[in-house]
Amino acid sequence: DADVTQTPRNRITKTGKRIMLECSQTKGHDRMYWYRQDPGLGLRLIYYSFDVKDINKGEISDGYSVSRQAQAKFSLSLESAIPNQTALYFCATSSGTDGYTFGSGTRLTVV
Amino acid sequence: GQNIDQPTEMTATEGAIVQINCTYQTSGFNGLFWYQQHAGEAPTFLSYNVLDGLEEKGRFSSFLSRSKGYSYLLLKELQMKDSASYLCAVHLTGGGNKLTFGTGTQLKVEL
Repeated sequence: DADVTQTPRNRITKTGKRIMLECSQTKGHDRMYWYRQDPGLGLRLIYYSFDVKDINKGEISDGYSVSRQAQAKFSLSLESAIPNQTALYFCATSSGTDGYTFGSGTRLTVV
Repeated sequence: GQNIDQPTEMTATEGAIVQINCTYQTSGFNGLFWYQQHAGEAPTFLSYNVLDGLEEKGRFSSFLSRSKGYSYLLLKELQMKDSASYLCAVHLTGGGNKLTFGTGTQLKVEL
């Protein structure tokens, strides 16, 4: 089993719909992150969390919200999806002193 | 603000050596990561440099000069499977173990 699991792997949704992307990890890491990746723009941080009680905005948090349901689970929600949120979304975890372990990604298309 | 520059694309021949450069200007610096990312897949860890100098790991080496805000990734004995995007990422100070990523260098290895 993967250390960091994202669901779904692919999703097509309509403009205005609410959608949730889920991430779970078996690494035992405290820190979890959500990034989006767009061609030519690289990976950009949406939200990050130190633990269940600590949520922080990243550089592009508008239009997104998150929930840290447990140490191992961190979900990203788009309350009302719009086409420019079409992207590849990655969840990542960290122990705090090393690099990230990434999930396999969720490819989201908003039509 | 954060600024990380790396070439968009590079092409090299199988068996050759290629150097991928990365320059950065960031507010705070702990170290520099290099990740490899194949199309549609998660980034995977290659190296982490904190101190100046060259670190070698098999066919891959990474160099850092903190005073110049410069790093490079050196790939030797190139193989077709090395065709991928290579991401430079600065490990920021200030808590959260945050990484800020460059836009990536797409490397194509040809026969």
